[in-house]
Amino acid sequence: EAGVTQFPSHSVIEKGQTVTLRCDPISGHDNLYWYRRVMGKEIKFLLHFVKESKQDESGMPNNRFLAERTGGTYSTLKVQPAELEDSGVYFCASSQKPPKAGGGEQFFGPGTRLTVL
Amino acid sequence: AQSVTQLGSHVSVSEGALVLLRCNYSSSVPPYLFWYVQYPNQGLQLLLKYTSAATLVKGINGFEAEFKKSETSFHLTKPSAHMSDAAEYFCAVSSAFSGGYNKLIFGAGTRLAVHP
Repeated sequence: EAGVTQFPSHSVIEKGQTVTLRCDPISGHDNLYWYRRVMGKEIKFLLHFVKESKQDESGMPNNRFLAERTGGTYSTLKVQPAELEDSGVYFCASSQKPPKAGGGEQFFGPGTRLTVL
Repeated sequence: AQSVTQLGSHVSVSEGALVLLRCNYSSSVPPYLFWYVQYPNQGLQLLLKYTSAATLVKGINGFEAEFKKSETSFHLTKPSAHMSDAAEYFCAVSSAFSGGYNKLIFGAGTRLAVHP
């Protein structure tokens, strides 16, 4: 079974440009999460999809960030226009529906390293 | 509100020595607690999790952690370090009220170095 995949692995763009990150979750996982780690800081939650619906987007920094999840499958995170402070590693994670016992595991992708110059 | 504090951004041990990575949490609701590990150029991998069952949790690769409510701690240990344990380790908390299926709140991470 394939894990969570993210594309691209690295992206270097100029300030003001647009970048789109893609995440393909594990097949059958309804829950999809985006996180970001700015250099030297902790990994921070951005948003959570359940299928194609945004369950929680409380971590989105501002309206320059737009996340979509087409048909409840893959997700994209667009940054437009990019600013210097958007640099960091963007992680995607997915999980199944909650089992009875709760505390389900989030499976993480390798991340996309975004550098804004 | 929830938060996680990992004491020590860098920990160095000798091969064969005890590994102890510290994690303290703050949570206004019953927590679920997790330890993740990230090896170079890879995603985060779950080591172990506490979900209100046994307070001593055993994970993969010989790691274990003990949930201590009175100390609000969830420290990660391994009796004998291997060179392959060198990685970055993250402690995380989520709310038990949603079955753990909401956002993870992470600590800043601890980079473990293992030397011969």
